[in-house]
Parts: sequence; C-alpha cells; structure tokens
Amino acid sequence: GENVGLHLPTLSVQEGDNSIINCAYSNSASDYFIWYKQESGKGPQFIIDIRSNMDKRQGQRVTVLLNKTVKHLSLQIAATQPGDSAVYFCAENDSGGSNYKLTFGKGTLLTVNP
Amino acid sequence: AAGVIQSPRHLIKEKRETATLKCYPIPRHDTVYWYQQGPGQDPQFLISFYEKMQSDKGSIPDRFSAQQFSDYHSELNMSSLELGDSALYFCASSRPTGASGYGYTFGSGTRLTVV
Repeated sequence: GENVGLHLPTLSVQEGDNSIINCAYSNSASDYFIWYKQESGKGPQFIIDIRSNMDKRQGQRVTVLLNKTVKHLSLQIAATQPGDSAVYFCAENDSGGSNYKLTFGKGTLLTVNP
Repeated sequence: AAGVIQSPRHLIKEKRETATLKCYPIPRHDTVYWYQQGPGQDPQFLISFYEKMQSDKGSIPDRFSAQQFSDYHSELNMSSLELGDSALYFCASSRPTGASGYGYTFGSGTRLTVV
C-alpha cells in the first residue's frame, strides 16, 4: 500500500494530558476496526476495537470514536503516561470482502514528556 | 498467558539465500496471519491460513511461500532474498476464523536483515 516513507505523523504531549490520535480509513465497507500500540522492535499490541454498528467504545483510559460518514477513527487516551509513548496504528477489516486481512493505516508516533 | 511465538527473533542472510520464519499461534487459535513491516511503515498483509488451508493472500512475492501444519504452527519460506526483503515479519493468530474473531494477537516478530 501507499506510505509516506519514514516520516510518521507525530504527537507530543505532557504527562497527564489527554491525547487524541486520528486515523482516516479507506474502505467504506470496513466493519471492524482495531487500534494497536507498537513499541520499538515489538509487535503491535491490541488496545481496543470497535464494530461498525457502534460509534463509541470505552476501555481503561482509552476511548475509540468511529465516524462512518467521513470514514474517520480516533483514539483518545486519558491522563497520558510516559509508558504510552509508542507508534499507534489503526487497522480496518471488511469481513464481507476478506475476513482475514487487516489493512493498517499510517502510524502516529506519540511522545509523552514527563 | 501464552502468546504468539515467533522464531528466530533476528536473522541475517545474504542476497539470494533462503530463510524460514516460524510462528506458533496461541493454543486453540486456528487462524494464522503473516505481515511484513518495513522501516517506518505500516504492517502489510502477506498471507493467512485457516485450518491449514490458505484463506487469503495479499502482497506476497512469488519468491515467498507459506504453510500451516497440523499442529497449527506456520512457516514462511523466503527464497532468492533481496535487500528489499529486510523488514520485520509479524505473525498473528486468532480464533474463530477471521480478523474480527476472538483475540487477534501479534507475535514479537522476526527481524530479517538481508546483506
């Protein structure tokens, strides 16, 4: 897929602030979405997911919002901590197309300053 | 809790050599997926297997092949390696079938460096 090379979007926040990471997805038929956190040299770690019949889902310190009209997904992290520093990816799945393939969006590098 | 196990963690190969990457899914997970992630890029889907049969194929070069065995582990075989194959290779597993199934979990990856 297309990519922007080595230049990831970045978000820098102070410890304790709330963070909002955005993602635009491409396939209007996608019906399942996941946010992953990836630390350097590690595999993507599941944070939270949402199905297309919902527009909001909350977890522990995280909230995912889905706007199907504009194909936009966001991840809100409350009271951001230094341990939240990582690259965050959204991923989409179209179960009617391929039930097996996740398509990842461009990652966002979150840096939390103590 | 058991996770997805990948081996080796690091692998260095020369151009035109072959490499085999292994993936051991979470117990009772019947579906395995392979992804390739270049430096600074998002993971790209390569191939998936459900119950030992190929279930979907993405942007996997013809030089690569994969299979899932009776114990559900999977191997990704890469031949005629090129410098551009240098990347992190992730395996993920889930149950039941499909990406929206239960527990879609990634392993820690194999870092392949082709020199």
